[in-house]
Amino acid sequence: SQTIHQWPATLVQPVGSPLSLECTVEGTSNPNLYWYRQAAGRGLQLLFYSVGIGQISSEVPQNLSASRPQDRQFILSSKKLLLSDSGFYLCAWSGQSHYEQYFGPGTRLTVT
Amino acid sequence: GDSVTQMEGPVTLSEEAFLTINCTYTATGYPSLFWYVQYPGEGLQLLLKATKADDKGSNKGFEATYRKETTSFHLEKGSVQVSDSAVYFCALNAGGTSYGKLTFGQGTILTVHP
Repeated sequence: SQTIHQWPATLVQPVGSPLSLECTVEGTSNPNLYWYRQAAGRGLQLLFYSVGIGQISSEVPQNLSASRPQDRQFILSSKKLLLSDSGFYLCAWSGQSHYEQYFGPGTRLTVT
Repeated sequence: GDSVTQMEGPVTLSEEAFLTINCTYTATGYPSLFWYVQYPGEGLQLLLKATKADDKGSNKGFEATYRKETTSFHLEKGSVQVSDSAVYFCALNAGGTSYGKLTFGQGTILTVHP
C-alpha cells in the first residue's frame, strides 16, 4: 500500500532563516505531487504541483520554492522566512489516472 | 473558474443526531467530487468520492450523492458520534488538463457533544 511521509512534524524558525520541508511517497511510482498551505485550520491554498522529476508548477508567486529531485521526493524551501510563512504545510500525491489526492500528516511551521 | 461553496458552520450536534453539510460547486465539464475529513492536528483523509452524475459515495456511515441538476454534493450521516468531530472539506477535480488539481471549499467545523 502507499504511504506518504512528511518531516519535520513541527518547526519553529526565526524570521530570515532558511527552510526545507521534505515529503516522500512510498508504494507508487511517477505520482503527481502537491504542496498546500493551510492557515488557521481552514482553507487550503495550493502552492506547487509536480507531474515529474524536475517539473514544478507554481500556483502562487511568493517567498517559497519547490523541487523534485527524485520521483517520490518533493521538497519545499525558502531562503529567508517571513512571518506570513507560518502555517500548516501539507504534501499530497495522486496517481496519473486517478484524481483523488492522498495527504501526508503535515508540518506545523511557526516563524517567530 | 471552478469553485466550491460549503456551509460555513460551525455545526454543533448532539450524539446520534442527523448530519447534513451542504456543498455546491461551479465547474466546466464533468468534475469528480470528493469529501475529505481533517481531525485536529492531522492531514486530510479522503472520506468518499463520486465521479459521475447520480453516483453515491459512501464510507463509515457517511453518504453524498452527485447531483448534476443542482450542482450539489451534500454530505449526510444518519447518526453522528463524538468521534466524528472534525473539519469537513468538499472538493472537486475538473479533469482535463488540470493535472489532478483539487479545488476545495473553505471547510465546515463539526462538533458532536455526548
